[in-house]
Amino acid sequence: AQSVAQPEDQVNVAEGNPLTVKCTYSVSGNPYLFWYVQYPNRGLQFLLKYITGDNLVKGSYGFEAEFNKSQTSFHLKKPSALVSDSALYFCAVRDLGTYKYIFGTGTRLKVLA
Amino acid sequence: GAGVSQTPSNKVTEKGKYVELRCDPISGHTALYWYRQSLGQGPEFLIYFQGTGAADDSGLPNDRFFAVRPEGSVSTLKIQRTERGDSAMYLCASSLLHGDEQYFGPGTRLTVT
Repeated sequence: AQSVAQPEDQVNVAEGNPLTVKCTYSVSGNPYLFWYVQYPNRGLQFLLKYITGDNLVKGSYGFEAEFNKSQTSFHLKKPSALVSDSALYFCAVRDLGTYKYIFGTGTRLKVLA
Repeated sequence: GAGVSQTPSNKVTEKGKYVELRCDPISGHTALYWYRQSLGQGPEFLIYFQGTGAADDSGLPNDRFFAVRPEGSVSTLKIQRTERGDSAMYLCASSLLHGDEQYFGPGTRLTVT
């Protein structure tokens, strides 16, 4: 069965520093991977996705993610964090055997001024 | 254009009652998904519609849950004989096609007393 894990409940980073939010996955076959962000009192918003091609995927708001097949990871990164990046981040994988999308439990990012 | 909308935003009901939750997807989006999100968890897949038909309802927890999308746009999630364990945020999302990024609504918070 497909699964996704976000090992950190919370990540704290100082404004201006690089940030990484971790995601690992378990799939059979080639993964379709996604990152979504949830701001307070707002719906989830799509950030980026990996289907195939270049392992470094660029997305919205300056975020990027690196697909690493050997480590089965899809970590979210940003070179310089902003206070406004503080939110809840979800990694998701599409189950190719069904129509399901499987979400991780989320990582709360806190960027400190 | 308008995003995904969900009504009501909040619903409080008594145990045993029947509730309906509505989702208006983005116009032209053929794929529609329902999720349930409990506190501290990621969205949990319930059902996927492609057009008018439920292509995958494997996430519905039991036969008290049912969803329809009769004209291929608006969808209604119906819960019979509600139980306290049904209390959660119910999210709807749509995408142009299955596999594309999903656009989420703000959710309906259901509380069963």
